This record gives sequence, C-alpha cells and structure tokens, in this order.
Amino acid sequence: AAGVIQSPRHLIKEKRETATLKCYPIPRHDTVYWYQQGPGQDPQFLISFYEKMQSDKGSIPDRFSAQQFSDYHSELNMSSLELGDSALYFCASSLVKGTAENTGELFFGEGSRLTVL
Amino acid sequence: KQEVTQIPAALSVPEGENLVLNCSFTDSAIYNLQWFRQDPGKGLTSLLLIQSSQREQTSGRLNASLDKSSGRSTLYIAASQPGDSATYLCAVSQVEYGGATNKLIFGTGTLLAVQP
Repeated sequence: AAGVIQSPRHLIKEKRETATLKCYPIPRHDTVYWYQQGPGQDPQFLISFYEKMQSDKGSIPDRFSAQQFSDYHSELNMSSLELGDSALYFCASSLVKGTAENTGELFFGEGSRLTVL
Repeated sequence: KQEVTQIPAALSVPEGENLVLNCSFTDSAIYNLQWFRQDPGKGLTSLLLIQSSQREQTSGRLNASLDKSSGRSTLYIAASQPGDSATYLCAVSQVEYGGATNKLIFGTGTLLAVQP
C-alpha cells in the first residue's frame, strides 16, 4: 500500500539559508499535517491543510510557510534558517474525521532530517 | 490546553517480561488516541489506534486500553523481546467542533530497553 512520501530525506543547510521540504500524502487523503521533532523532543504540530486550505496552525515560526497544491502534495518552506531549526520534520496525512468509514488515523512519512550548520 | 504525559520516561526490562506503559491526558474531549513506536532517528510507526468510543485494541503482543473519563491509556506489551527496544509515544486527537483537523498532541515518550 502507498505510504506518505517525504523528500528529501536528509538536508544540510547553512544559517540564514532557505530550505523546502516536500510531502506526498497517501492517495485520497484530504488532510496533510507537518510536525517538527527536535533532538530528544516529542513531535510538535506546525500546521495542517484540508482540501488545500490551511485548517490549523500550531507552533510554526513566522519564517516558515507551507501550502498544499492541487495534486494534494504539500511543501514546507523555511527561510532564514537558524541552528535551532535542526530537527526531524514529519509529514502525515489522513482522511478528515466525521465520516463513518474514517477512524481519523494519521499516517506518517519517514521524515526529513534538516541539519543547519 | 491539552497536555499528554507518559510514565515512566525510561524503562529497562529483561527479555520475556510483560510490561505496561502509561499515558495520561488532561482534556478528556478526545477523538482518538494513537500509540506509536519510534526507533532512534527514524520515523513514527503506528501501533494501535483507539477511538474515543472504544475501551481497548489488540494487535499481536500489544494491547492498548483507554479510559477517557479518567484521561488514561495503557500499552501492554506481552513477552517482551530485544526487538521491542524503542521509544513509545502516545498521541491524542482533539475534538474540533466545526473544524476539519485530526491534529495529534504527543506525549513525552517512554524509552524502552529490553535486555537479552
């Protein structure tokens, strides 16, 4: 079965540079979520999109932006990178809750590891 | 604001033991609860999902229970094996009236080491 695909898997950037992470959700899933997991930390919710519209926002810095495209893939753009942005970035997808056949389960990708030097 | 806590933070057991990991949450208005496994530097593997109307779910040697009213969930691992060594995370999905999000709020994790 198709899973959530994230790219790149590893990325190394210098301070003040820009990085873009991509996420391809499971086919037919209409919601995409982005999470950030710092070293030794639990994943923190950044932002989500439902049907290409931002549906919820968490602790996402103003330097970060994201969008979901017509094919449902999503991109997380990070500018003016700081050392503290070094983390594992996860994307997850799901079907929005409220339907009889939907458990609301989130399926996560393998993550993109960003290292800022 | 929902807060999710896991106890213990770390656990070391000999192979073959049965063990229980605990998760507690402060707001009982949850939609579902998921247990994940994470190996060092790796992704999140979903183990079990319990919907708010359910009391427990089982998968192989794993059994998860949910007591929504008391804000608690447990993950029971039977006959532990060295391959079970990993960090176990629980996460709750809030009820969002009128919203369209299943965002998860994660606990702090339990680092499990099963000694051969």
